Amino acid sequence: KQEVTQIPAALSVPEGENLVLNCSFTDSAIYNLQWFRQDPGKGLTSLLLIQSSQREQTSGRLNASLDKSSGRSTLYIAASQPGDSATYLCAVQTSGSRLTFGEGTQLTVNP
Amino acid sequence: EAGVAQSPRYKIIEKRQSVAFWCNPISGHATLYWYQQILGQGPKLLIQFQNNGVVDDSQLPKDRFSAERLKGVDSTLKIQPAKLEDSAVYLCASSLFGGESGKLFFGSGTQLSVL
Repeated sequence: KQEVTQIPAALSVPEGENLVLNCSFTDSAIYNLQWFRQDPGKGLTSLLLIQSSQREQTSGRLNASLDKSSGRSTLYIAASQPGDSATYLCAVQTSGSRLTFGEGTQLTVNP
Repeated sequence: EAGVAQSPRYKIIEKRQSVAFWCNPISGHATLYWYQQILGQGPKLLIQFQNNGVVDDSQLPKDRFSAERLKGVDSTLKIQPAKLEDSAVYLCASSLFGGESGKLFFGSGTQLSVL
């Protein structure tokens, strides 16, 4: 059974700081890994999707890496802004296209 | 492009009552998912449809939960009777193909409170 763990559970940083969110998974037989953002009271927005054959994906100030063999992914946020405050969720997709989510990292960026 | 639509936005019921949620996926998306997200946890898959057919309902509590997707488009999720532990946000998502092509688009969810 696939299990996804995210560390830390919560993070508070000053504006402008670069930060890293961590995600680990137990079964390396994945199709892809996705990072989502969730704002309070809202649904999930897909940020980045890394296929199992890829090592990283970049979008603007976001960079996600994937090390499938060690079961790890990181989401790097450069020059953080107050608008980045949200919960960030990592999810892995396995056979049958089921997504298994971690419990998320709640990020607060202070002005 | 219109996103995934869900209604109602909020629902408050008493335990043992029944409730239904509705989802309209992005036009043309063959795969539709229902997820349950309990406060402080990540979403958990309840059921996945590919067009009209069920692909995965292994985590759906079938004694009280049911779901259908008529004509491969809209879907409804029903709970009957509701329990206190069903209080959660119910998220609907859709994707173009499912499988490893992957990218999911989520609706805003229905927040259910069972008293």
